[in-house]
Amino acid sequence: GAVVSQHPSWVICKSGTSVKIECRSLDFQATTMFWYRQFPKQSLMLMATSNEGSKATYEQGVEKDKFLINHASLTLSTLTVTSAHPEDSSFYICSARWAAPPYEQYFGPGTRLTVT
Amino acid sequence: AQKVTQAQTEISVVEKEDVTLDCVYETRDTTYYLFWYKQPPSGELVFLIRRNSFDEQNEISGRYSWNFQKSTSSFNFTITASQVVDSAVYFCALSEVGTGNQFYFGTGTSLTVIP
Repeated sequence: GAVVSQHPSWVICKSGTSVKIECRSLDFQATTMFWYRQFPKQSLMLMATSNEGSKATYEQGVEKDKFLINHASLTLSTLTVTSAHPEDSSFYICSARWAAPPYEQYFGPGTRLTVT
Repeated sequence: AQKVTQAQTEISVVEKEDVTLDCVYETRDTTYYLFWYKQPPSGELVFLIRRNSFDEQNEISGRYSWNFQKSTSSFNFTITASQVVDSAVYFCALSEVGTGNQFYFGTGTSLTVIP
């Protein structure tokens, strides 16, 4: 199956700093990538849909100025958590969608963010 | 309204018992896909199965089997002769063509297999 990578796999940052998470589709081109957030013992919640070459679409309640998404190429999307706070500590998972039917989505291994 | 419902929050079984994880979905699309994922403590989602809405055949893969019934909007997952390595959180998910194949995840069922 297709492979999606995320970097870093885990990161610890201080409150007030920014952190960037990369999502790459390694062996296919993805015009659309998705970013999810998962708090402990909860399900995955879609944060935003990232389309190559255009602005991301954010889900209700997700601050677009805090969670900056850039999808500059067909294989890379980045999520930057700006001015991170402890409540942003979570598990962030991206997925990349195949560009043709059945538009299969492949999930990355996730990035665990801890804000101290 | 929740599109995917996994009513069982936590299940514990003794090793070698069979266990069924329930999943009920809601959609108005005629074309959709249903998935099951396993999430071990490491966090990485492990793909288990995908079914499309036009294929109601039940499927068996080793100790895993899936029962898809459109009449009851259910897509249940059974593990036969459970093993300790099956302990994980299992998510059922729905992808609708009409919403750009966005994934809707259930709340997950945490399965603990006791040795």
